[in-house]
Amino acid sequence: DIVMTQTPLSLSVTPGQPASISCKSSQSLLHSDGKTYLYWYLQKPGQPPQLLIYEVSNRFSGVPDRFSGSGSGTDFTLKISRVEAEDVGVYYCMQSIQLPPGYTFGQGTKLEIK
Amino acid sequence: EVQLVESGGGLVQPGGSLRLSCAASGFTVSSNYMSWVRQAPGKGLEWVSVIYSGGSTYYADSVKGRFTISRDNSKNTLYLQMNSLRAEDTAVYYCALGYSGPGYWGQGTLVTVSS
Repeated sequence: DIVMTQTPLSLSVTPGQPASISCKSSQSLLHSDGKTYLYWYLQKPGQPPQLLIYEVSNRFSGVPDRFSGSGSGTDFTLKISRVEAEDVGVYYCMQSIQLPPGYTFGQGTKLEIK
Repeated sequence: EVQLVESGGGLVQPGGSLRLSCAASGFTVSSNYMSWVRQAPGKGLEWVSVIYSGGSTYYADSVKGRFTISRDNSKNTLYLQMNSLRAEDTAVYYCALGYSGPGYWGQGTLVTVSS
């Protein structure tokens, strides 16, 4: 099974400053179809997860452009160019290259505002 | 507009059963990949089960043999039948729409397994 490892597990950021979260997978997420099946989700307090980034670097509908994703193979990064108060919550990376059976999530990174 | 509304959660004793429902609108359940993902209190996300548009089903090892995913096309609703429940099944259960990366999630329903 693929293991997803996120760092850091928590970070505290001043509004307007950038933030970065790393996600490493135990196996390459590059599929033979050319796509890389790495996703980023944000779970705000008391809410379900919301998709931010799909296939490494594509923003989902309605996601602000201050969020960006990058990486390849086994190493990936989510960046927030200028953190806002509404960005607080837990960020999860997720892989779906091994379908079936199902998805694997990272442990989560909790973002709080200073 | 896509909407997913879960129901059926509650308090159940160890060894008991519960059926969760996920009523969908804005799309056709039978034409899409639908999953159940759960989150234990204060913990991270765990994929539970998926049903493909063609009807194939898959389960996490932790629930295999105890949980059954299904759908009712006439009601456009997804289900999760949970039997032989254990304390470690206590979680918020979310239904989610999408194949490789679910883009739509319901608000979740809480299942508590306790005596």
